[in-house]
Amino acid sequence: QSALTQPPSASGSPGQSVTISCSGTSRDIGGYNYVSWYQQHPGKAPKLMVYEVSKRPSGVPDRFSGSKSGYTASLTVSGLQAEDEADYYCSSYAGSNKSLFGGGTKLTVL
Amino acid sequence: QVQLVQSGAEVKKPGASVKVSCKTSGYTFSSYVISWVRQAPGQGLEWMAWISPYSGATHYAQRFQGRVTMTIDTSTTTAYMELRNLTSDDTAVYYCARGGTGEYSTILDVWGRGTTVTVSS
Repeated sequence: QSALTQPPSASGSPGQSVTISCSGTSRDIGGYNYVSWYQQHPGKAPKLMVYEVSKRPSGVPDRFSGSKSGYTASLTVSGLQAEDEADYYCSSYAGSNKSLFGGGTKLTVL
Repeated sequence: QVQLVQSGAEVKKPGASVKVSCKTSGYTFSSYVISWVRQAPGQGLEWMAWISPYSGATHYAQRFQGRVTMTIDTSTTTAYMELRNLTSDDTAVYYCARGGTGEYSTILDVWGRGTTVTVSS
């Protein structure tokens, strides 16, 4: 199966909001409410930021929010801060105990 | 605290095999699956497979089926991932991560620091 589709880059100024999209199909994002988002700083392991479309693990700021409409999931980062600059990856369940990742989006804080 | 500690970097020749370990601590080993995710240089994340320490069940991404074997040692709460018949395309950082089964396999809440595998002649 193909990876989920994310824009390669996104940017915003401190304090602004930015939304990153993640497009899939009826066999993954459109078929299940199991979309996760991960943040990865250079040279570091990924960190879970959102799961089950819109839930946040303990310790993740509420500036990070997730949503889904049809075959597209989105991650919105509000009140951008310098430390939010990182790569972001979406992930979706794809049936039959398999998962897919998106290609990743590099978020730049201007 | 919950920790996943991976083995050190490896350099292998094409055609060889590599076995990466993931030592867990701080939680009930049998309650979560261990997933393996890799990242080629400058590229995105790629889900490879997961194994359940509770049942021994495994699931693989289609492209790795037949070339990857995952095992667990419950006595040391360690998971292993062996990748065979290596090519230069397998050069990547390999991560283990704690997750769930089925739909919950997308929820990887604790990650190891990664093991760099370099395949070069």
